[in-house]
Order: sequence, then C-alpha cells, then structure tokens
Amino acid sequence: GAGVSQSPSNKVTEKGKDVELRCDPISGHTALYWYRQSLGQGLEFLIYFQGNSAPDKSGLPSDRFSAERTGGSVSTLTIQRTQQEDSAVYLCASSPRGAGESRETQYFGPGTRLLVL
Amino acid sequence: QQQVKQSPQSLIVQKGGISIINCAYENTAFDYFPWYQQFPGKGPALLIAIRPDVSEKKEGRFTISFNKSAKQFSLHIMDSQPGDSATYFCAAGRAGNKLTFGGGTRVLVKP
Repeated sequence: GAGVSQSPSNKVTEKGKDVELRCDPISGHTALYWYRQSLGQGLEFLIYFQGNSAPDKSGLPSDRFSAERTGGSVSTLTIQRTQQEDSAVYLCASSPRGAGESRETQYFGPGTRLLVL
Repeated sequence: QQQVKQSPQSLIVQKGGISIINCAYENTAFDYFPWYQQFPGKGPALLIAIRPDVSEKKEGRFTISFNKSAKQFSLHIMDSQPGDSATYFCAAGRAGNKLTFGGGTRVLVKP
C-alpha cells in the first residue's frame, strides 16, 4: 500500500519568502506528526495532530511556523518569512488508531528538503 | 527534561561484527522506546521498539536491551552486514504521542 507522501521533495527559496510543505498520511491514520531534521542532526518535533483534538504545537520554533490538517487527512506546514536557519529536511509521519503496538508506530515520509538562500 | 542522549556519533564495524549503540533518557514518564534506521535521502523507518515492562527484545539480528532503573537502552546489531550501513536513531516518548529523538549514530559496516 501507499506510504506517507510529501511534496515537494525539494524546495529552494529566498530569505523572506513564505513556503508551504504538504503531507499526505497513510489512509486511515488518525495521528500526524511533523519533525525537522537539520543536516547531520536528530529529528526535532514540531507539531502533532490526533483526530479532532487540538494539535500539540509545543515544538514550533517561532510564530512564523504554522500547520493545519484538513478533513483529518492532508496536512500543510507553512513557514512565513523564511530564514536561512530554517534550512532543513521537514519530515512528516503518521500513525494508526488502534490498540497495542500498531498505534505507536510512526511511519515517516521521505521528507521535503528546504534550502533558504 | 525531554532530552535523549545517543552515543557514539559514528562507528565502524567489520562485516560479521557487533554494532552497539547506546541511549539515555531523562523523562520517567516515557513508556515507548523505538529505534529507527535511516538511509541517505530517505525518511526514518522503524527497526524495533520496546516497552519498559521487558528488559530485552530481539528481532532477527537486532536486539534492544532496556535498563529502566538506569534510564538507558541500547541497540545491538549482530552479524553486521554492509547493508546495515545507515544512520540509526533512538527515540523515546509516551505511546501514541510525539517522540524525542537522539542525535543519531552513523554506522559503517566494512566488507
């Protein structure tokens, strides 16, 4: 079956521009996560959506970052007035509803590589 | 504290050898400890995970050892193969919630 997909795969933008990154989770998965991975670094949590609950935005680094999830499926991460330090790989993951280990596993997409010049 | 500390940052092992990666966490509320494998240009993929009610879990050549009192867990890759060359991340969190990741270990298996 189809995994998590993200678009675009690569994005080059100029400092100060806004960018939108898209994530299509695995069908039926109720939880959706955004992480950021800087070059050679670990993953940094950004935001988490679970069903109809209010999202956990505790990882967003500044108010330039926002995300939404429409219809409980597709999510868009928006970065306004991009800065060079925003350059990173932005990863999306989803996980299913259910009991036991299945609900814990986060399935990652390939990421969007963002370069801010 | 939400940190997860991972070591070493990199390691080189001969084919057939054992790769060992260690992680330490601080938040005693964490109850889910996965390991992810990431190849260049790809997203991380779940390798193996453990809950704190067991001290060891084995899947094929991969074993997690968990020490709840020390708040440490480790990944052992037995009979390491060149195809295992990748970056490995430990993570910790509450089950079904966001994960806190370690900094990653780049493993190179020499043929």
